[in-house]
Amino acid sequence: KNEVEQSPQNLTAQEGEFITINCSYSVGISALHWLQQHPGGGIVSLFMLSSGKKKHGRLIATINIQEKHSSLHITASHPRDSAVYICAVANRDDKIIFGKGTRLHILP
Amino acid sequence: DTGVSQDPRHKITKRGQNVTFRCDPISEHNRLYWYRQTLGQGPEFLTYFQNEAQLEKSRLLSDRFSAERPKGSFSTLEIQRTEQGDSAMYLCASSLEWVKNEQFFGPGTRLTVL
Repeated sequence: KNEVEQSPQNLTAQEGEFITINCSYSVGISALHWLQQHPGGGIVSLFMLSSGKKKHGRLIATINIQEKHSSLHITASHPRDSAVYICAVANRDDKIIFGKGTRLHILP
Repeated sequence: DTGVSQDPRHKITKRGQNVTFRCDPISEHNRLYWYRQTLGQGPEFLTYFQNEAQLEKSRLLSDRFSAERPKGSFSTLEIQRTEQGDSAMYLCASSLEWVKNEQFFGPGTRLTVL
């Protein structure tokens, strides 16, 4: 079993829909990251969380440390949000462990 | 400073050839990381440097792989005698030592071994 599990693996939605991507992890962490990767490979850091909730524009990330679970939400989704979203955790040794990613496709 | 840069962005090579990739981190960042990402997977840790010292290497890093960061600034990753299984995206990231969880990623070098 992977230490970081994401669901769903693939998600196709219509423009405007509310999107939720989930991440569960099995190790003790010092921080959790949500990353965005567009075709072509470049990775952009969206959020770094250690507790609670963060919001940036249409993106919201939450984390529940007790349940070892985080969610990334996208409100009013747009085709330009189409990308792979990767959850990554920093464990107690400061190693970054990545999930396999969720491939999101927003249809116009 | 425009962020972490990597060169080349794409490399196609024949099996058995040697390849070298370069990463230029954000200038004040003293930590530099190399990751490998194969199709459909998340990135996997290869190695990292603090200044010029290579502090850790993953078991994924076979003897054919070598990484250097000679002056504590840019880094190179060399793969000798490439194999088809080396085809992947090679990602570089950098961070400040005291904010080491906040890594900034480069655009990656996509390697295709024919």
